[in-house]
Amino acid sequence: NAGVTQTPKFQVLKTGQSMTLQCAQDMNHEYMSWYRQDPGMGLRLIHYSVGAGITDQGEVPNGYNVSRSTTEDFPLRLLSAAPSQTSVYFCASSQGGPRGNQPQHFGDGTRLSIL
Amino acid sequence: TQLLEQSPQFLSIQEGENLTVYCNSSSVFSSLQWYRQEPGEGPVLLVTVVTGGEVKKLKRLTFQFGDARKDSSLHITAAQPGDTGLYLCAGAKNYGGSQGNLIFGKGTKLSVKP
Repeated sequence: NAGVTQTPKFQVLKTGQSMTLQCAQDMNHEYMSWYRQDPGMGLRLIHYSVGAGITDQGEVPNGYNVSRSTTEDFPLRLLSAAPSQTSVYFCASSQGGPRGNQPQHFGDGTRLSIL
Repeated sequence: TQLLEQSPQFLSIQEGENLTVYCNSSSVFSSLQWYRQEPGEGPVLLVTVVTGGEVKKLKRLTFQFGDARKDSSLHITAAQPGDTGLYLCAGAKNYGGSQGNLIFGKGTKLSVKP
């Protein structure tokens, strides 16, 4: 079982560059989300999607864009990378949203450094 | 504002000791989840507690949801080095969508020494 696959695992960018973090799940889950994890800050929600074609903002959406053209894929785009976006990024999916008490299945993360 | 406060932030103990991790909030949550995360990996769900006062056991781990559904605790009996990791509590919150979003505490980093 592949579960949630994130690519790349590591990336170094220069300030101002753009890039896309990929996330794919093979469990036919409707709900997908992106978090960033910083030391001492826990996991903070960036964007989420409740199904193909539907996305919304989380707690820290500035500087990031998302789209959901298929059930399987939920890419996260950094428009113009800034050092403050250095972080570990996690993608998660679940059958339903958190209000349904569904377990979130996480990928192994993308470690991103912005110089 | 941190909606979920976890304590302690760090915990270093010897193998065989008992420990308790706390997750507190001033908000009421419909449920709380506990995850464990190991270095280089994503969090993995341990348990979901839904009913106020609920107690769930997972081998040597005991999870409790407060009666008012504002707090939760994780108790580990006779800790083993394999319990080492980052423990995260998470509650469902609504940023505007009907399905809710998960809010995470900052985590408790546990180290169990042989």
